[in-house]
Amino acid sequence: AQRVTQPEKLLSVFKGAPVELKCNYSYSGSPELFWYVQYSRQRLQLLLRHISRESIKGFTADLNKGETSFHLKKPFAQEEDSAMYYCALPWSGGSYIPTFGRGTSLIVHP
Amino acid sequence: NAGVMQNPRHLVRRRGQEARLRCSPMKGHSHVYWYRQLPEEGLKFMVYLQKENIIDESGMPKERFSAEFPKEGPSILRIQQVVRGDSAAYFCASSPTRDTEAFFGQGTRLTVV
Repeated sequence: AQRVTQPEKLLSVFKGAPVELKCNYSYSGSPELFWYVQYSRQRLQLLLRHISRESIKGFTADLNKGETSFHLKKPFAQEEDSAMYYCALPWSGGSYIPTFGRGTSLIVHP
Repeated sequence: NAGVMQNPRHLVRRRGQEARLRCSPMKGHSHVYWYRQLPEEGLKFMVYLQKENIIDESGMPKERFSAEFPKEGPSILRIQQVVRGDSAAYFCASSPTRDTEAFFGQGTRLTVV
């Protein structure tokens, strides 16, 4: 069964510091992976997807099939990046149920 | 397109009462997913519905919880005889097909007192 693991519940950094939010997945096929962001008490919204290989709000994520990882990175964190971040397998194989990690709360201090 | 709409945003129920949570998917979306969010557990899948059909309810507790997505009207998540442990944020997401991005509503925060 597919699984998404986010090992850190909380990541606390200072403004301007680099950020890496870790995500590992378990899936036997070729996965599609997303990062969602949830700002305080707002809805989840898609931040980026690996297939588009884009950079959104300075964030990037590279799929590493060898390490089964999809870590989210930003070289210089901003206070407005403080939010909950969820790594997700939106669909995989026969399952079309988006599977989420437990989320990592990012706090960026001034 | 107004986006996925959930109501109410906040719901307070006494133990033993029923809670009804509504989700209106985005226009043109026939796939609906319900998730429960707890502070220490992240997003937990509950049920996946497609118009008038329950596709997967493997994440739903066997008792007291039910969901529907009628041909007309919103999807409803019903919790009967609520208990304190049901207090959580419940999110609904919709997608036009089963292999496209899911869009989320703002959630319903249920508090059981």
